[in-house]
Amino acid sequence: AQKVTQAQTEISVVEKEDVTLDCVYETRDTTYYLFWYKQPPSGELVFLIRRNSFDEQNEISGRYSWNFQKSTSSFNFTITASQVVDSAVYFCALRMDSSYKLIFGSGTRLLVRP
Amino acid sequence: ETGVTQTPRHLVMGMTNKKSLKCEQHLGHNAMYWYKQSAKKPLELMFVYNFKEQTENNSVPSRFSPECPNSSHLFLHLHTLQPEDSALYLCASSQGATGGRGTDTQYFGPGTRLTVL
Repeated sequence: AQKVTQAQTEISVVEKEDVTLDCVYETRDTTYYLFWYKQPPSGELVFLIRRNSFDEQNEISGRYSWNFQKSTSSFNFTITASQVVDSAVYFCALRMDSSYKLIFGSGTRLLVRP
Repeated sequence: ETGVTQTPRHLVMGMTNKKSLKCEQHLGHNAMYWYKQSAKKPLELMFVYNFKEQTENNSVPSRFSPECPNSSHLFLHLHTLQPEDSALYLCASSQGATGGRGTDTQYFGPGTRLTVL
C-alpha cells in the first residue's frame, strides 16, 4: 500500500529562522513522483515542486530547498530565513506512474511569527 | 481568467437541496479532478476525468455525481447530502495522457467551502 506521513502537525517559528518539514513515504513501485504543495488561508493548493523517483538530486529554489533520499524514503522541505508569508499548511504527496491519484499526507501547519 | 477557477466559493445547503459545483480550467489541460478536504481526513481524491472520460471513482457515494462536458469544464452535482459531507471541495487539472501518466502535475483551484445543514 502507498502512504505519506507528515509527522509534524504544527510548527511555529520566529521570522528568519530556518525550518524543515518532514515527509516520509511508502511504496513498492519503482517509478513514482513526489510533490509538495502549499495551502495558504485562501484555500488554494499551490504547486511547489515535483520530484521523480529516479532523480535524487536535491533542489534549491530561492529560500526553498528539498532533500530527497530514497534510502530513507524521505522527501523533506526546508525554508531558509522564513517569512510571515510562508505561514500556511504544507502538503507532501505521492503519485504512482500507473495512476493519476495523488496520495496526500495530513499536512504540516507552519506559523511564522514576526 | 487564468489557472483553475471554481464557483461558488462558499455554499450552504440543506440536506434535501440539489446544487452543483463548477470548475473551469484555462490551462489547456485534458485531465480534471475532484478532491474532498475535510477537517478530520487527508485530502481525498473523488473523481478523475481524462479526455472527458471518467477514469477513476474513488468509492464515492452516489449522492455526488460528476459531469465533464468538455476538457475545460467539470461539475459536481450534489443531492441529498449529509452533514458529514461538509468540506472544502477542490478541483484540479493536469495535462493528462493517453498512455503512461509520466510527469503529470496537478494544479488546483481555490475550492468551494460547502456546509450542509
